[in-house]
Amino acid sequence: LAKTTQPISMDSYEGQEVNITCSHNNIATNDYITWYQQFPSQGPRFIIQGYKTKVTNEVASLFIPADRKSSTLSLPRVSLSDTAVYYCLVGDIGDSWGKLQFGAGTQVVVTP
Amino acid sequence: NAGVTQTPKFQVLKTGQSMTLQCAQDMNHNSMYWYRQDPGMGLRLIYYSASEGTTDKGEVPNGYNVSRLNKREFSLRLESAAPSQTSVYFCASSGRQDYGYTFGSGTRLTVV
Repeated sequence: LAKTTQPISMDSYEGQEVNITCSHNNIATNDYITWYQQFPSQGPRFIIQGYKTKVTNEVASLFIPADRKSSTLSLPRVSLSDTAVYYCLVGDIGDSWGKLQFGAGTQVVVTP
Repeated sequence: NAGVTQTPKFQVLKTGQSMTLQCAQDMNHNSMYWYRQDPGMGLRLIYYSASEGTTDKGEVPNGYNVSRLNKREFSLRLESAAPSQTSVYFCASSGRQDYGYTFGSGTRLTVV
């Protein structure tokens, strides 16, 4: 399993862009990178998934360099409601997702 | 569409008591999972079921049993509750892997 490392916490102000980088040096060829968001007292919510280069949806962008040893989740113009824990997961999309490990995640705090 | 429904939302048990946490999904997903989350920590996989009729141990299975009753339902049983099992329990399901997991809202369990 690819081990992931991400910062424990990040602070930001409303309206700023937040970038969270996840390291996954031993990512395998068939592994995809997935990010989840978790609010207090709720289950995690799928945000975005990618394999290489850049993926964008209505919530975030995911940047993956050519060597795929890291990835960066970008949250544009954050608001107070983006305060949450963000998890980076790496795993084989064709394999059972049950083998993935969430880790401690990154606590993002957005202030006015 | 309800997604993943967990019952109960809250439960207090005495040490040694037993109980079953219920989980049901209405998205026709093949795979279902049980996680626990301790304060300030990430999610740890207890058991998962890749498909109806199969179950496998995750990272922390000791003290728990599961039943995949049918495609919709996946229950978690604590036979003899211990204070170390005080946690928030999340059930999740997944269908197409590129859509990730869908989580329930959690069961907050306290064992005294």
